[in-house]
Amino acid sequence: DSGVTQTPKHLITATGQRVTLRCSPRSGDLSVYWYQQSLDQGLQFLIQYYNGEERAKGNILERFSAQQFPDLHSELNLSSLELGDSALYFCASSEAGINEQYFGPGTRLTVT
Amino acid sequence: AQKITQTQPGMFVQEKEAVTLDCTYDTSDPSYGLFWYKQPSSGEMIFLIYQGSYDQQNATEGRYSLNFQKARKSANLVISASQLGDSAMYFCAMREGRGSGGSNYKLTFGKGTLLTVNP
Repeated sequence: DSGVTQTPKHLITATGQRVTLRCSPRSGDLSVYWYQQSLDQGLQFLIQYYNGEERAKGNILERFSAQQFPDLHSELNLSSLELGDSALYFCASSEAGINEQYFGPGTRLTVT
Repeated sequence: AQKITQTQPGMFVQEKEAVTLDCTYDTSDPSYGLFWYKQPSSGEMIFLIYQGSYDQQNATEGRYSLNFQKARKSANLVISASQLGDSAMYFCAMREGRGSGGSNYKLTFGKGTLLTVNP
């Protein structure tokens, strides 16, 4: 158990819908990262937050957004969902200045 | 150009034998870090080992060691005494740059190698 929690574990929804994925980092970790894992794109970095502020953006679609709250949990919002958004979404956290990122169990999103 | 290349889509090893999983990387940044993660069929990503670009010694963590050859830009993972539970997908990843505090430490991943340990 990495100490990073993600909910829900599985999510099935229809095209055009909006969903919110939630992540709680390890205790004391200020950085949260979101990654998407799909069969065709592999593991890709989406976005990073540090202590409530956005720090870096990767291959994140405009339909996707995220935020980190004062209690350091983070949410990834996916809207106008398409079939191609079906993937495993990971949240990872790290302690400031420390290299290792610890991953949560992931949320498997299926868009039908 | 791909930043992380894992050329072995699949590897087989006999239980109790050692196996090397290949990883080459591409960066012009003098400061970077290399990571290996394991992803079993259950899906979670498990951190295994880390090597910094300025580290003089190869990293080791239990049965895992990282064969770091800087000039060749390779960071191969060696698993000694393979166990059935080692069967999983293994990903090599890189972090470029050295920041401070909460600076960007995003990871770039390779496509992975599926390791199967045979009894």
